[in-house]
Amino acid sequence: GAGVSQSPSNKVTEKGKDVELRCDPISGHTALYWYRQSLGQGLEFLIYFQGNSAPDKSGLPSDRFSAERTGGSVSTLTIQRTQQEDSAVYLCASSLGEGRPLHFGNGTRLTVT
Amino acid sequence: GENVEQHPSTLSVQEGDSAVIKCTYSDSASNYFPWYKQELGKGPQLIIDIRSNVGEKKDQRIAVTLNKTAKHFSLHITETQPEDSAVYFCAASWGQAGTALIFGKGTTLSVSS
Repeated sequence: GAGVSQSPSNKVTEKGKDVELRCDPISGHTALYWYRQSLGQGLEFLIYFQGNSAPDKSGLPSDRFSAERTGGSVSTLTIQRTQQEDSAVYLCASSLGEGRPLHFGNGTRLTVT
Repeated sequence: GENVEQHPSTLSVQEGDSAVIKCTYSDSASNYFPWYKQELGKGPQLIIDIRSNVGEKKDQRIAVTLNKTAKHFSLHITETQPEDSAVYFCAASWGQAGTALIFGKGTTLSVSS
């Protein structure tokens, strides 16, 4: 069956530009997560959506970062006025809900020049 | 919030040897502890998980142990094979619903034949 799909797989952008990263979760998964993975670092939690509840945005590093989840399915992570320190792999994951395993996509590698 | 420490950061073993990776967590309310394997260019994949009501779980060559009192858990891989070479991440649940995962910084395991 289809797993978590992320697009684009790679994105190169100039400093100061806005970028949008897309995540298509596994069908039927109510929970969706965004993580950031920098070189040599672990997975940094960014934001979490569960059903119709208000998202947990506690991991977003600055107000330049935002995310939406439309219709309880597809999610978009937006980074405004990108900075070089935003360069990383952005991973999306989905799950069936509380305490259930996360299924990750292959990530979007963002490079800010 | 939750903090997860993982060590060692790198581990090299000979094929057939055992490998052990250890993690500690800070939030005594955490109740779900998964382990993920990440191969180059791919998202992390769940290999085994354990909940706080269980002390040990085994799946073929992989086992996880949990010590709630000491707040640490470990991954044990026996009879290692070259295909076990990857980055391994531990994680602990965190957040109001206990669903967002906080990850350790990862262990790069190299198995030489």
